[in-house]
This record gives sequence, structure tokens and C-alpha cells, in this order.
Amino acid sequence: QSVLTQPPSASGTPGQRVTISCSGSSSNIGSNYGNWYQQVPGTAPKLLIYSNNQRPSGVPDRFSGSKSGTSASLAISGLQSEDEADYYCASWDDSLSGWVFGGGTKLTVL
Amino acid sequence: EVQLVESGGGLVQPGRSLRLSCAASGFTFDDYAMNWVRQPPGKGLEWVSGVSWNSGVIGYADSVKGRFTISRDSAKNSLYLQMNSLRPEDTALYYCVRGYTYALKHYFDYWGQGALVTVPS
Repeated sequence: QSVLTQPPSASGTPGQRVTISCSGSSSNIGSNYGNWYQQVPGTAPKLLIYSNNQRPSGVPDRFSGSKSGTSASLAISGLQSEDEADYYCASWDDSLSGWVFGGGTKLTVL
Repeated sequence: EVQLVESGGGLVQPGRSLRLSCAASGFTFDDYAMNWVRQPPGKGLEWVSGVSWNSGVIGYADSVKGRFTISRDSAKNSLYLQMNSLRPEDTALYYCVRGYTYALKHYFDYWGQGALVTVPS
């Protein structure tokens, strides 16, 4: 059971907008940043969004992040086939003094 | 170019020990916190342990506390994970991961390709 809660799956057609949620608590997302990682099957995870809503250089602006209270969200607009991957949220947890991850959301592009 | 290359994985019997290494290059190793994150086959990510830039702050997941020890060697630009009393549930791909800055609580910005550790049941 992951500390952060994500839906196990999400899907959309090319061009659509999809949103993935990440629910936490006051000790993690509520008091620290939410971050998102993308993992294409067979490869290492890659930083997608940091500090709630910042994109590293090279990440398309189709990807955006937000935070409200104890939840974070990842939005992908103009969905493309190469977006098919697993997406993980992560945050520092002050109570555990460590990092916690969501269980991951498998995104399928139909 | 930042590179993180793990080594030392393999098949190990329950109760035995294994030491993972991570060779870092392409950045000033002493300026960054480093972490180990693992992923069991077909499952999600789990943070295992992290060490601040000067080894002054070290953290462990409850699942490995007392069994695993993280360390770093600035002279060799290397990160290590000593894993003792291994259990079947420790079977996973272990990633060496750089923290964005010197402290533990900043996001992970670079990941290695992973080292597979298998502990049969």
C-alpha cells in the first residue's frame, strides 16, 4: 500500500487531455512539493515535473502539474502515442523523514 | 553529461549479503545528495535510502532500516549500498538516483539504469 494514492490506470485518445491525480496527506504533499516521474517500459524513470509545476528543460509544455492542499495533479494535453508510459508522483514526507511514491498510473493511448 | 552506473547486483540466497556500487560522473559528486530507489519486477517505485552531500544526514525506508547501510566515497565519486540479511521481498531493480541539491528532501533529477538483485524464496 503506497503512501500516495494514484489511480492504477488512465487512458485517452490522441489529442485529448488527461489528468492523473495523486492524493497524500499533511505530512507529505500538504507541506512539501509534489514531483512527477515518467517511466517508459524497460527504461529508467525520468523527471517530468518538479516543485509542483515546474518542467525540466526538454519536457514539452503539454505536460503540466499543480497542487491543491494535500493533492497533486499531472495534466497531459494534446495526448500523443509516445506518452504511453507509467507515471509516478513523489513527495518528501516529514513524518517518515523520507521519500514516498504513489503506486503509479499506467497511461494508455487508445 | 551526468552518468550513474550501478554494479554489484546478482542472485543471492536469503539471509546473505550483497553490496551495490554506483559510479558517478559528469558532475561534482560532493555537491549533491544521492539515493537508492528500488522497483520490484512489475511493481512500483520505493525509496530505499538517501545520503546528503557530506554524509551528515542519512535516511532509510522502514522496510530496510537496520539491514541496509548507505555510504559514499568522494575520492572515488561513488555511492554504495550494503545490504545484509536479504529477504525475498528485497528482489528488485535498484536505481542509483541523484538529488537535485545537497539535501535529501529535494527531488531526484538523474537516474541510473539499475542493478538487479534477486533473492529467491
